[in-house]
Amino acid sequence: DTEVTQTPKHLVMGMTNKKSLKCEQHMGHRAMYWYKQKAKKPPELMFVYSYEKLSINESVPSRFSPECPNSSLLNLHLHALQPEDSALYLCASSHAPDRDEAFFGQGTRLTVV
Amino acid sequence: GENVEQHPSTLSVQEGDSAVIKCTYSDSASNYFPWYKQELGKGPQLIIDIRSNVGEKKDQRIAVTLNKTAKHFSLHITETQPEDSAVYFCAASTGTASKLTFGTGTRLQVTL
Repeated sequence: DTEVTQTPKHLVMGMTNKKSLKCEQHMGHRAMYWYKQKAKKPPELMFVYSYEKLSINESVPSRFSPECPNSSLLNLHLHALQPEDSALYLCASSHAPDRDEAFFGQGTRLTVV
Repeated sequence: GENVEQHPSTLSVQEGDSAVIKCTYSDSASNYFPWYKQELGKGPQLIIDIRSNVGEKKDQRIAVTLNKTAKHFSLHITETQPEDSAVYFCAASTGTASKLTFGTGTRLQVTL
């Protein structure tokens, strides 16, 4: 089973709202990732968690705040977003930080109004 | 850093024909080359991958070839079907998923 589950599938939020995206995997993977994907573009890495600790932040604005409560869960907290932050947000996981196979979830389509 | 170029950007083939998508990479240290299929409204799905110690890998109708000397790798889909229609991304990595560099994507359309 290589399933990464993301909720919600769709989210519309105002620029003053606070919302959270959730990602879950039960494959025992110890590395989890957040990606942002704009239309007709490849995914862009945002954050990497290794053994529940943030290891990479690709200079992402502070209005995006990741959290890894345990080895199976990954959250992305959103606050004061801009319309240009509208995108498909993808979660991915790999067996370990030093492994190269990455498995993606179905994504959350975020629209900021 | 790594740079991955992917061609063509769009590809239209008739059902039953073969499709070939090509990628080149710049970093000779890259040793892992996955291919992802992304259907409309869904996340990328890993469909096949190859490592630098292998020249070719097949899985039913799909195959990937790697030329390390030329820094090229290609995806081959035979006997295409309408359900193969999607965007395909190649990627290269120097050994960890956090170092995956994606190509720009190829939109494949399989027509009846």
